[in-house]
Amino acid sequence: GIQVEQSPPDLILQEGANSTLRCNFSDSVNNLQWFHQNPWGQLINLFYIPSGTKQNGRLSATTVATERYSLLYISSSQTTDSGVYFCAVEQGDNYGQNFVFGPGTRLSVLP
Amino acid sequence: KAGVTQTPRYLIKTRGQQVTLSCSPISGHRSVSWYQQTPGQGLQFLFEYFSETQRNKGNFPGRFSGRQFSNSRSEMNVSTLELGDSALYLCASSLGISWEQYFGPGTRLTVT
Repeated sequence: GIQVEQSPPDLILQEGANSTLRCNFSDSVNNLQWFHQNPWGQLINLFYIPSGTKQNGRLSATTVATERYSLLYISSSQTTDSGVYFCAVEQGDNYGQNFVFGPGTRLSVLP
Repeated sequence: KAGVTQTPRYLIKTRGQQVTLSCSPISGHRSVSWYQQTPGQGLQFLFEYFSETQRNKGNFPGRFSGRQFSNSRSEMNVSTLELGDSALYLCASSLGISWEQYFGPGTRLTVT
């Protein structure tokens, strides 16, 4: 099956710093989403981005489907950005939805 | 529009018991997927239902089962609980294949 890798596994930043999180996947995908998991376990949708570039406030994401990677940019980080960021991909075959998640990047933003 | 809801939020069970978790999708969403999250294995796909039919199943033993009702609400059942079933169980809903998925808050199951 498809493999999803995320880097770095852990990231510690000072408040106000910028960061780039990377997601590599091993096969073509029909769906790619970025999530932020809060301390209570809820997965919060950041981007639905199977290709192209999107921006939402201090966050932006780019997926280069032909090269099988996606990047999540966080600018001017805040302590509330702390948590685990997951990339999830779906190949979207006719057998139904099936997300494959990466292992996540644990981000800690220090005040 | 209300989000995905899951009940109960927390559950403590004993080895050998069975448990049923419930998920109500976003109104209009017909696809419901279930995932298990553990510290060791990460987030793993359990199964997906669309219009009351299981379309896809992950690599889990037969003790894990599910169903979907005509109103798209879904339940998953775990029989003969094992300590290793302790996990956060997440439910997601979407309009269908390749559409954006939205997750509920999860049910945290502890098996003692």
